[in-house]
Amino acid sequence: KAGVTQTPRYLIKTRGQQVTLSCSPISGHRSVSWYQQTPGQGLQFLFEYFSETQRNKGNFPGRFSGRQFSNSRSEMNVSTLELGDSALYLCASSLRTGQQETQYFGPGTRLLVL
Amino acid sequence: GNSVTQMEGPVTLSEEAFLTINCTYTATGYPSLFWYVQYPGEGLQLLLKATKADDKGSNKGFEATYRKETTSFHLEKGSVQVSDSAVYFCALTLYGGSQGNLIFGKGTKLSVKP
Repeated sequence: KAGVTQTPRYLIKTRGQQVTLSCSPISGHRSVSWYQQTPGQGLQFLFEYFSETQRNKGNFPGRFSGRQFSNSRSEMNVSTLELGDSALYLCASSLRTGQQETQYFGPGTRLLVL
Repeated sequence: GNSVTQMEGPVTLSEEAFLTINCTYTATGYPSLFWYVQYPGEGLQLLLKATKADDKGSNKGFEATYRKETTSFHLEKGSVQVSDSAVYFCALTLYGGSQGNLIFGKGTKLSVKP
């Protein structure tokens, strides 16, 4: 079974631009979560989608948004990019939503904001 | 609030040495506990998990036991290899609320020398 895939793998943007990242979950998985990883803040939860509905949201500004499609693929968007948005963005999928579900991570998209 | 605390790294060991990485947690309710590993330039891989007190997770020679009385989930391996060099993250899940899904520790970098 193919793992979680994320595109693109690397991205360079300038301040003020917007960016869209894509995530394809493992086949059959219906929950997709997004995380931001930075050296200073570590791994932080952005949001979770299940059956096209946002189920949970972390403490990030409204510039960070996401959506999930009927085939469970997910996109996240960051508008008005800031230097501090430079990070590795990780997507994870799980079969269902819930505490005991194991999340499987993709390789990440590394975003650099100049 | 809910949180995970890991021992500070980096940890440097010689091949075949015994490994312990300490992890303690603070959580309301009964979390599920996980260890993830991140190799250089890659995303996170699930190493092992435990979903209730006294459960022992194990994989690839690594073990961790869910200790409710000490709120701990320490990672151990009897004989490390150079290929175990990576960053190890302890995490918990508590479903619902603004905390989101996985709550991670800061990570512990392990370097194993031949």
